Amino acid sequence: DAGITQSPRYKITETGRQVTLMCHQTWSHSYMFWYRQDLGHGLRLIYYSAAADITDKGEVPDGYVVSRSKTENFPLTLESATRSQTSVYFCASSDRLNTEAFFGQGTRLTVV
Amino acid sequence: AQSVTQPDIHITVSEGASLELRCNYSYGATPYLFWYVQSPGQGLQLLLKYFSGDTLVQGIKGFEAEFKRSQSSFNLRKPSVHWSDAAEYFCAVGVAQGGSEKLVFGKGTKLTVNP
Repeated sequence: DAGITQSPRYKITETGRQVTLMCHQTWSHSYMFWYRQDLGHGLRLIYYSAAADITDKGEVPDGYVVSRSKTENFPLTLESATRSQTSVYFCASSDRLNTEAFFGQGTRLTVV
Repeated sequence: AQSVTQPDIHITVSEGASLELRCNYSYGATPYLFWYVQSPGQGLQLLLKYFSGDTLVQGIKGFEAEFKRSQSSFNLRKPSVHWSDAAEYFCAVGVAQGGSEKLVFGKGTKLTVNP
């Protein structure tokens, strides 16, 4: 199916564990983004990528790692999860910076 | 600091009333400007966008927005609000500066519509 998909939709993990959130898009869009959404903070940019093998830090990158070896995939890894990383994570992709960004359904992550 | 500001965290309007949601940005060049809407438990949907040309842009669901360069603003408007417009609205800017290209969002404005 065409579109952008995130997995898992829900995840509970323990403090200190490594967890990876997956993001896959079928359009071959150049740009991909990871955001976290928290009450009172809106969507904050974690990492973004303008093309395969090109990634850059956003507003809140600490504690996160990304890679983009293939255009269609942009996984987000929490190296050692902390409670402050409990959030809803959204992945998005766009063809160009001046075109619509398409969002996944989000991953609700709880760190206990 | 570079930022996107939505001054109103929460707005309540009556159904049928007009609506204006404010957005200001502070980037050196005119960025690409967007408004997205998020219904509860959902992802984000694009309402409209601006990157050049006519400064008044029309979007879906009867929304429009006006770009004012002198005020660094991109306010969203709707002449008559419907109950189904209750949602959270996000202003976003696409910025290309110094080899960095990113899409940044404001903190959002939650809209409540009273019957």
